[in-house]
Amino acid sequence: AQTVTQSQPEMSVQEAETVTLSCTYDTSESDYYLFWYKQPPSRQMILVIRQEAYKQQNATENRFSVNFQKAAKSFSLKISDSQLGDAAMYFCAYRSARSGGGADGLTFGKGTHLIIQP
Amino acid sequence: EAGVTQFPSHSVIEKGQTVTLRCDPISGHDNLYWYRRVMGKEIKFLLHFVKESKQDESGMPNNRFLAERTGGTYSTLKVQPAELEDSGVYFCASSRGRPSEKLFFGSGTQLSVL
Repeated sequence: AQTVTQSQPEMSVQEAETVTLSCTYDTSESDYYLFWYKQPPSRQMILVIRQEAYKQQNATENRFSVNFQKAAKSFSLKISDSQLGDAAMYFCAYRSARSGGGADGLTFGKGTHLIIQP
Repeated sequence: EAGVTQFPSHSVIEKGQTVTLRCDPISGHDNLYWYRRVMGKEIKFLLHFVKESKQDESGMPNNRFLAERTGGTYSTLKVQPAELEDSGVYFCASSRGRPSEKLFFGSGTQLSVL
């Protein structure tokens, strides 16, 4: 079974600074997808960024980028120019490319609570 | 476009009672997922519908949980009888289909079993 580990329960960053959230995962599969989801106080989770394992190029979405190290099974999220609206819980998630047999769902880490200090 | 809607947003029941949670996915999304987060633990996958069929229900904890998706539209998750350990936030998500696609999540139902 796959596991996802987020070793930072909480992170704090000054507004306009850069912060990196760490995520490692364990899998024996070679084809999979990785995601970062943001959960603000409203509780509704929103996709921040995603990465396909077969792509070597790191995904980027505006101020959000990832450092995907497949061999090390690491998938960190970098937030540049942090804004107050970035404050939220951030979840790293893994999704197998297979279907069925327990593979359909996302496997989540425990989350990192990001605090933005003005 | 309306998002994924879940209700109730909160439910407080006593042990042994029955509770039904409802999820309305985004129109046109064939795939519907249920997840649960028990306090202090990871968000866990419960099951996956494709239209009205259960594609993967490997995450359902036991037979006290029953999920249905009538006509491939909205879905319900019934817990009968509820136990203390069922307390948590139940999330629903929907998507068009491919594994690489993003999921659209609802705001969840906070279930408290006393």
